[in-house]
Amino acid sequence: GAGVSQSPSNKVTEKGKDVELRCDPISGHTALYWYRQRLGQGLEFLIYFQGNSAPDKSGLPSDRFSAERTGESVSTLTIQRTQQEDSAVYLCASSLASDTQYFGPGTRLTVL
Amino acid sequence: GNSVTQMEGPVTLSEEAFLTINCTYTATGYPSLFWYVQYPGEGLQLLLKATKADDKGSNKGFEATYRKETTSFHLEKGSVQVSDSAVYFCALTPSSGTYKYIFGTGTRLKVLA
Repeated sequence: GAGVSQSPSNKVTEKGKDVELRCDPISGHTALYWYRQRLGQGLEFLIYFQGNSAPDKSGLPSDRFSAERTGESVSTLTIQRTQQEDSAVYLCASSLASDTQYFGPGTRLTVL
Repeated sequence: GNSVTQMEGPVTLSEEAFLTINCTYTATGYPSLFWYVQYPGEGLQLLLKATKADDKGSNKGFEATYRKETTSFHLEKGSVQVSDSAVYFCALTPSSGTYKYIFGTGTRLKVLA
C-alpha cells in the first residue's frame, strides 16, 4: 500500500479484556516495529520484526504483551488482560532493512 | 545508555517568527539523528535526518545540524507558518543495531496567525 495502516484507529475496552491491534506495513518492507506512546511522553520501543522473526522483544513491558508477524506482512500486537496503564497510542512502523522508519497513524487504546 | 532530551512545550509563536527547538542526546559511538513531525490526527513523518557529525539535514524550510561537540541537533526554521503547528520529536538510532529508535518526549508547536 501507499503507507503504513493500522486498525482499529480507536479501541475502548474494559479492564481485563484482551485486545488485538493490527498493522499493515508498506509492501516490501522487511522490518516492522511497534512503539507505545503514553500521553505526554515519548515513544517507547516495544518489539522489532525482521521478516517474520522478532530478534528484539526487549521493549515488551510484560508477558501480557505479545506480537506476531505473518507472511512478512501483517503484524498483530496482542494485549491480554488489559490494565488501565496500557492506555496509550500504539504505533507501528516499517522500513527497508535498517533504513528510515515510516509510521502508521496509530491505534488509540483506552482501558476503562 | 542512549537517550534524547528535548525542550518541553508547548511552544507558541506568531506566524513568521523564528523557531528553535532544542534537542540534545547521549549516545555511544556515532548515532544517526532525526526529527519527526506529527501533525494533528496523522502519523509521525520523517522531517529530516543527519547521519554524521557536521551534517545538516533540511526539509520544508527546517534545518538541523549534527553537532558532536555539543551532542545537539537543534531544529530551526526562519519563518514559521500556521501549518507548521504540530508535535516535533527528536530521535536517534545507535551506531549499531540501528533499528531501535530512541525518541525524545516531543515538543508541541502552536503557530498563531
